Amino acid sequence: SQQGEEDPQALSIQEGENATMNCSYKTSINNLQWYRQNSGRGLVHLILIRSNEREKHSGRLRVTLDTSKKSSSLLITASRAADTASYFCATAEFGTGTASKLTFGTGTRLQVTL
Amino acid sequence: DGGITQSPKYLFRKEGQNVTLSCEQNLNHDAMYWYRQDPGQGLRLIYYSQIVNDFQKGDIAEGYSVSREKKESFPLTVTSAQKNPTAFYLCASAEGPRNYGYTFGSGTRLTVV
Repeated sequence: SQQGEEDPQALSIQEGENATMNCSYKTSINNLQWYRQNSGRGLVHLILIRSNEREKHSGRLRVTLDTSKKSSSLLITASRAADTASYFCATAEFGTGTASKLTFGTGTRLQVTL
Repeated sequence: DGGITQSPKYLFRKEGQNVTLSCEQNLNHDAMYWYRQDPGQGLRLIYYSQIVNDFQKGDIAEGYSVSREKKESFPLTVTSAQKNPTAFYLCASAEGPRNYGYTFGSGTRLTVV
């Protein structure tokens, strides 16, 4: 089942602008992660935010988490053409056993034009 | 360099055939995962394994099988029972059960002809 829903489904901006993507999820989580996927490629891990954190930064990336609203946002500042990709949020739930697994959202396709 | 290798990159299957997708990692990661991605969709979990000789079904395991005989290898077999196998298959690994980020392979695109 899809845990996360991303919004918008597609986003087109010009180079230098900021891009914001949102993710909503349904159940309690241990952490939330964001990944990037270039067309036809595997996913690349960008950033992780734990359930007890509200904001995290990594380079041009800023992630926020609101567990009361079950939502997260990813902000990419000063976007570049190379940022063109699909972005996915993924939630981690730790069950009663040792196994953990990520449940991915539906993704946001970001197009950055010159 | 450490990483995950998936092969082949493209695979064509005839109706009724079983095919096996390879996934090998040299990261010494304990956990390995198989996901399926359909066009314009997110990833759906097929199977995962936390340790050698042990694996669990994910959300869409029907028509698939796996084995984990070695720590570095987690092959996925798409059987003839899988009615709609055309998709992009992604293998991932993580350092341990309480992983903090997956490393993905570059994927195998399977097409039924």
